[in-house]
Amino acid sequence: SQTIHQWPATLVQPVGSPLSLECTVEGTSNPNLYWYRQAAGRGLQLLFYSVGIGQISSEVPQNLSASRPQDRQFILSSKKLLLSDSGFYLCAFTGTYNSPLHFGNGTRLTVT
Amino acid sequence: DQQVKQNSPSLSVQEGRISILNCDYTNSMFDYFLWYKKYPAEGPTFLISISSIKDKNEDGRFTVFLNKSAKHLSLHIVPSQPGDSAVYFCAFGEDNTDKLIFGTGTRLQVFP
Repeated sequence: SQTIHQWPATLVQPVGSPLSLECTVEGTSNPNLYWYRQAAGRGLQLLFYSVGIGQISSEVPQNLSASRPQDRQFILSSKKLLLSDSGFYLCAFTGTYNSPLHFGNGTRLTVT
Repeated sequence: DQQVKQNSPSLSVQEGRISILNCDYTNSMFDYFLWYKKYPAEGPTFLISISSIKDKNEDGRFTVFLNKSAKHLSLHIVPSQPGDSAVYFCAFGEDNTDKLIFGTGTRLQVFP
């Protein structure tokens, strides 16, 4: 079966510190991978998506970057966190064409 | 550029009665319409979907209605159960289910 793992579940980081969130998918090959963010009181906003290794598309300008070093690994990073980076970050994948997005359990990031 | 509006941030329904959740959209290019359900500290899970060629899709207690002329999507849950208490997001896609655009969510509470 297809599963997605995302960690850590919660993270508190000071302003200006780096960030690395990791997501891995099992049970499927060549998935499309996504990073979404849910800020307080807002919907889910697509940040990045990837259709293959090393292929990253950014949907919104921001302080974050994404990388896909392996087929089923997706990483969200920042060199220096801002207060506005606080939110709930969700990794997701689609295994086949037109299949629904499957989400990980998310990471609650608080930048202090 | 708000393509999707989920105007009711919360809804409270008695167990056994019908819950109706609504979304309005502006983008006439949307082809795929989905509903996701989210429990606290978890990622959203896919609930039900409908394609643009249909106006109704039913799955057990859940029915999704699409009114393309009014650009309106709704989810009916009947009978509502306490376990249905969660945040519900509508989601929309162009051409396929990749890169979905989500509403801001409606928190449903089903009380005994």
